[in-house]
Amino acid sequence: GAVVSQHPSWVICKSGTSVKIECRSLDFQATTMFWYRQFPKQSLMLMATSNEGSKATYEQGVEKDKFLINHASLTLSTLTVTSAHPEDSSFYICSAPGTYTSTDTQYFGPGTRLTVL
Amino acid sequence: GIQVEQSPPDLILQEGANSTLRCNFSDSVNNLQWFHQNPWGQLINLFYIPSGTKQNGRLSATTVATERYSLLYISSSQTTDSGVYFCAGYTGGGNKLTFGTGTQLKVEL
Repeated sequence: GAVVSQHPSWVICKSGTSVKIECRSLDFQATTMFWYRQFPKQSLMLMATSNEGSKATYEQGVEKDKFLINHASLTLSTLTVTSAHPEDSSFYICSAPGTYTSTDTQYFGPGTRLTVL
Repeated sequence: GIQVEQSPPDLILQEGANSTLRCNFSDSVNNLQWFHQNPWGQLINLFYIPSGTKQNGRLSATTVATERYSLLYISSSQTTDSGVYFCAGYTGGGNKLTFGTGTQLKVEL
């Protein structure tokens, strides 16, 4: 089956630093990937759609300059949280559709837990 | 925007019990899916079920798209079934998944 990996699994950083999270599709190609954010005991909220070779599409209320997304290849999307602050602490999850049809079954990475001190 | 409500929000079962989880959506959704988020946060695909009924072992799901709901049945529950169950569907004709509010399930010995 389709496997999506994320790295790192967890990260602790100081306020004001930047953190990069990688999302990889291991056994399939993904022209589109999605980034979600999940707060404790809450549902997943879509942050942005990552498009290979073009700019990401951000959801309303998500700061483009704070959450930089780069989809450099068909198997890799990165999310960089710039100048992180404690309120950015959250669980970040990426997903990719299992086929080129982006409304197909979504496969999710294991998530990255970010703690900003 | 579209609302996807799940019920019950919390559920505690004794091992071996059966349960039904419900997902109601306020407007049409496409290609509804069910996921299980384990205690470590990993989302696991359970069903891709735009309509009709599917079964996989102790789990089955039914979606009635015309009435805007989907049901997930868990039979003979096990402690490993614990976690959060989410339904999600594509809305507005696009490719963005909207997640439901989730059902937190705890299965006890």
